[in-house]
Amino acid sequence: DAGVIQSPRHEVTEMGQEVTLRCKPISGHNSLFWYRQTMMRGLELLIYFNNNVPIDDSGMPEDRFSAKMPNASFSTLKIQPSEPRDSAVYFCASSPTSGTSSHNEQFFGPGTRLTVL
Amino acid sequence: AQSVAQPEDQVNVAEGNPLTVKCTYSVSGNPYLFWYVQYPNRGLQFLLKYITGDNLVKGSYGFEAEFNKSQTSFHLKKPSALVSDSALYFCAVTRRRGSGAGSYQLTFGKGTKLSVIP
Repeated sequence: DAGVIQSPRHEVTEMGQEVTLRCKPISGHNSLFWYRQTMMRGLELLIYFNNNVPIDDSGMPEDRFSAKMPNASFSTLKIQPSEPRDSAVYFCASSPTSGTSSHNEQFFGPGTRLTVL
Repeated sequence: AQSVAQPEDQVNVAEGNPLTVKCTYSVSGNPYLFWYVQYPNRGLQFLLKYITGDNLVKGSYGFEAEFNKSQTSFHLKKPSALVSDSALYFCAVTRRRGSGAGSYQLTFGKGTKLSVIP
């Protein structure tokens, strides 16, 4: 298995532009997580899907952020409009976890490094 | 609410010496505890986890961790450090859930940078 796949690996954009980050989870994993990592705030959970349904989006910073999971093999995280403070590394992770087996480990993708100028 | 504290931003150890990376946690109910490692420009990789049972958990690359319920700690250890162990280490916690789907949030510490000096 190729592991969790994220694209693009690097994104540089200007303030106000729309940014779309993509993730392909490991086949058979039914939970998907989006995280943001910065030096100041560390690793933050943005949103969590289980069986393609958003379960907890309390970490999404504001309405400019949205995430979708149209099927079991694809998810997107969109920022519109982007701002310089959104610059961070965004990770996608997947897990064979259901709501009752929260001890399964998460498998992380390589991340997307976003720079908003 | 659940939280993780990694009190040391950085740990330096000489190659061949034992290493310890500290972690304490706060969670209601019984915890599930994890350690992950992050190498530069990579995603996090799972090292080991505590679910229940034996308090000493063994994981990848010779690492182990000891769960101490009374001290709410889950320190990461290795008997003999390698230069290749140099990386960022994250402790994480979640709690056991009841039946039925529900919010599942893995809370990470801020990370500890381990530097193994040749």
